[in-house]
Amino acid sequence: DTGVSQNPRHKITKRGQNVTFRCDPISEHNRLYWYRQTLGQGPEFLTYFQNEAQLEKSRLLSDRFSAERPKGSFSTLEIQRTEQGDSAMYLCASGERTGLPSNEKLFFGSGTQLSVL
Amino acid sequence: AQKITQTQPGMFVQEKEAVTLDCTYDTSDPSYGLFWYKQPSSGEMIFLIYQGSYDQQNATEGRYSLNFQKARKSANLVISASQLGDSAMYFCAMREAEGATNKLIFGTGTLLAVQP
Repeated sequence: DTGVSQNPRHKITKRGQNVTFRCDPISEHNRLYWYRQTLGQGPEFLTYFQNEAQLEKSRLLSDRFSAERPKGSFSTLEIQRTEQGDSAMYLCASGERTGLPSNEKLFFGSGTQLSVL
Repeated sequence: AQKITQTQPGMFVQEKEAVTLDCTYDTSDPSYGLFWYKQPSSGEMIFLIYQGSYDQQNATEGRYSLNFQKARKSANLVISASQLGDSAMYFCAMREAEGATNKLIFGTGTLLAVQP
C-alpha cells in the first residue's frame, strides 16, 4: 500500500493554457474525491467517483473543469483555459465505505499546487 | 445545511503540554461523522481521529482524543504531550449520513505551533 499518489506536485502555467492532473488512489478503494484548497482555507469539495461513475459535482466545478476515472482506478482532473483564480492546491483522496455512510475515512495525497500566471 | 466552525486561527503550545483545538458543527442529520485531519507543511492531509454521532464514548487514538459534546455540537481535539512534530494545520471535518451528498466538509483550520 503506497498511499494516494498525485502528479505533478507543482504546475506553473500561463493563463489560458490547459492543465491535467493525475491521481492514483489506494488500490482497494472504490471511491475517489477531488478537493481544492486555497491559502488559509480548508479543502473544498469538487467531485467524487464511485468506481468509474462520477456521482456528484460541486457547483464550484465550472464547465472548464472535467474529471474522469475511466477504469475505476486512477483519475484525471483537467482544467481548460486556466484563469488566475484557478491557482490553488488540488487534493485527491480515496476511501472505502464500510458500515455507515458517515464513517468513511478519506486518505489524501500530497496534492498538486497549481500556479496560473 | 452542514457547517464546521473553527474559531482559533492559530495557537501556541509548549512542548510536552496538552492543547485543545476547538471545533463546532451544525447539522440537522441525526447520523453523522466527525473527523480531524493534520496538514503539515508538506501539504498532505493526514487522518487523525474519527467520532460517530452515535458513539457513546469519546474517540481516542494514541495522543489524540476527541472531546465530543453532542448537545453543544462541539468536537474538540485534545493533543496530549505535544511534540515539535505536531506543528501543523489542523482541520475539523464532518460528513452527514443522509441526504444527497457524500462529501466531507472542512473547517478553516487552526495553525498549531509547538514551542521548545
